[in-house]
Amino acid sequence: ETGVTQSPTHLIKTRGQQVTLRCSSQSGHNTVSWYQQALGQGPQFIFQYYREEENGRGNFPPRFSGLQFPNYSSELNVNALELDDSALYLCASSRGGSGSMYEQYFGPGTRLTVT
Amino acid sequence: AQKVTQAQTEISVVEKEDVTLDCVYETRDTTYYLFWYKQPPSGELVFLIRRNSFDEQNEISGRYSWNFQKSTSSFNFTITASQVVDSAVYFCALSEARGNNRLAFGKGNQVVVIP
Repeated sequence: ETGVTQSPTHLIKTRGQQVTLRCSSQSGHNTVSWYQQALGQGPQFIFQYYREEENGRGNFPPRFSGLQFPNYSSELNVNALELDDSALYLCASSRGGSGSMYEQYFGPGTRLTVT
Repeated sequence: AQKVTQAQTEISVVEKEDVTLDCVYETRDTTYYLFWYKQPPSGELVFLIRRNSFDEQNEISGRYSWNFQKSTSSFNFTITASQVVDSAVYFCALSEARGNNRLAFGKGNQVVVIP
């Protein structure tokens, strides 16, 4: 069983640029959630995708957007990057959707640095 | 709104000592789930345990044990006879049944096990 994978591992961008992060969910999982983890903090929920639809969003501005594809992989896009966007971005996959409760399995994360 | 508090930020112990990590949560839901995750230096969050709000039984898994007390809204985690490999950041997290699986994390406890 293949686990959750994310790419790239590390990324350096300049303020104002745009970035796309990718996540492949674990086999059999149809739900992907994205989290942002600033240094020394716990992960913060960005949004979740279930069967290609956004299924809940945290307190993040619209310049954070996402997609989920028919194979349940997902992308996180961030426009107009700001210095505070520097963080570890974690993707988690799980079974089920709204109202269900399954363990979320996390990928290794993408470390984004904005200069 | 869901909230998780982990008061201690960094805890250092000598190998073979026990260490207990405190977690206090807030929620208005009667049905919710509590989790502990381990984050080693590699960055990936490793699932340790899930508890639902109707199951207050304590649990032991090897050197790990968890004490869930609804009366005090706490879900504490103890590592018995700590080992160097236990050095990591540990996160407590909460998910409400109505909250589409989103996890609310505490700030984490950095555990350093000194050989």
